[in-house]
Amino acid sequence: KQEVTQIPAALSVPEGENLVLNCSFTDSAIYNLQWFRQDPGKGLTSLLLIQSSQREQTSGRLNASLDKSSGRSTLYIAASQPGDSATYLCAVAGGSYIPTFGRGTSLIVHP
Amino acid sequence: EAGVTQFPSHSVIEKGQTVTLRCDPISGHDNLYWYRRVMGKEIKFLLHFVKESKQDESGMPNNRFLAERTGGTYSTLKVQPAELEDSGVYFCASSLLPGQGTEAFFGQGTRLTVV
Repeated sequence: KQEVTQIPAALSVPEGENLVLNCSFTDSAIYNLQWFRQDPGKGLTSLLLIQSSQREQTSGRLNASLDKSSGRSTLYIAASQPGDSATYLCAVAGGSYIPTFGRGTSLIVHP
Repeated sequence: EAGVTQFPSHSVIEKGQTVTLRCDPISGHDNLYWYRRVMGKEIKFLLHFVKESKQDESGMPNNRFLAERTGGTYSTLKVQPAELEDSGVYFCASSLLPGQGTEAFFGQGTRLTVV
């Protein structure tokens, strides 16, 4: 059974810092990995999708990497802004194509 | 293009009552998933449809929960009778079949409160 762990659980940083959010998973036989953002009271917004054959994906100030062999992914946020404050969730899909979620990292970026 | 939509956005019901949640996936998405987030816990998988067929319902907590997807379009999740521990946010997601792109798109969720 796939287990997904996200570290840290919470993070508070001043505006402008570069951040790294970590996601680890126990079963390396994955199909893809997705990073999501959730704002309070809102749904999940997909940020980046990495297929199992890929090593990284980039979108604007976001960069996600994937190391299947070690069961890790990182989400790098460059030059953080207060608008980046949200919960960031990592979800890993295996052979059944069903995403399994971590508990998320709650990020606060203060001005 | 419309995203995944869920109705209602909020529901407050009394213990013992019945509630039906609805999910409209993105048009053309054969995969449909239901998830639930109980306060303080991670988002947990409930079940997976491919078109109108249940592929995996291993996450359904008990037989008070019934999911349907008639005609392979929208899906409903009925809780009958509701218990206090059923409170949480219920999310629906949809995606294309493998080989067509597997990004999962989520709805806004339905916040269910059982009192």
